Amino acid sequence: AQTVTQSQPEMSVQEAETVTLSCTYDTSESDYYLFWYKQPPSRQMILVIRQEAYKQQNATENRFSVNFQKAAKSFSLKISDSQLGDAAMYFCAYRSPAFNDMRFGAGTRLTVKP
Amino acid sequence: DSGVTQTPKHLITATGQRVTLRCSPRSGDLSVYWYQQSLDQGLQFLIQYYNGEERAKGNILERFSAQQFPDLHSELNLSSLELGDSALYFCASRGGGGLSTDTQYFGPGTRLTVL
Repeated sequence: AQTVTQSQPEMSVQEAETVTLSCTYDTSESDYYLFWYKQPPSRQMILVIRQEAYKQQNATENRFSVNFQKAAKSFSLKISDSQLGDAAMYFCAYRSPAFNDMRFGAGTRLTVKP
Repeated sequence: DSGVTQTPKHLITATGQRVTLRCSPRSGDLSVYWYQQSLDQGLQFLIQYYNGEERAKGNILERFSAQQFPDLHSELNLSSLELGDSALYFCASRGGGGLSTDTQYFGPGTRLTVL
């Protein structure tokens, strides 16, 4: 079964600095999808960025980018120019085309210091 | 705003009771997923429906059931509630097919408190 591991329960970053959140996953599949979701104190789950495994190019959405290393089964999220509003729980998620559920990591709580 | 709606936002009930959580997916989305998030934990997949039919089951207890209606809204029924069922319950929806529709969009969640 696919598992998703986020090894950093908590991270902190200074406002305007850059931070990288780690995620690794275990799978025997070649095609799959990876996601980062943000959960602010409101508890809403907000999609940050997505990556298709067949694409070699790393996804980018404004200040958010990923470093997708397929062979290493690693999918880290880089947040540049961190803002106070980036403070939240961040969840890494894996979805297989063969199965209909999404597997989530345990989350990383990001604190942004002014 | 994801376009997915969930009602109610909060629900407080007693052990042994039964509750129903409701979800309306984004317009045009055929798939509905239910997840449970206990305090400070990740999301656990419960069940998925696609166009009215059950498609996948996760760690859903026998006391829990769900259905998707012809208008595509879905309901999650939780019965014989226990203290441990207190959690945030999310609904997510996804489009009918294609790579661009692979993303799940989440509703705001229903916070269930069992006393």
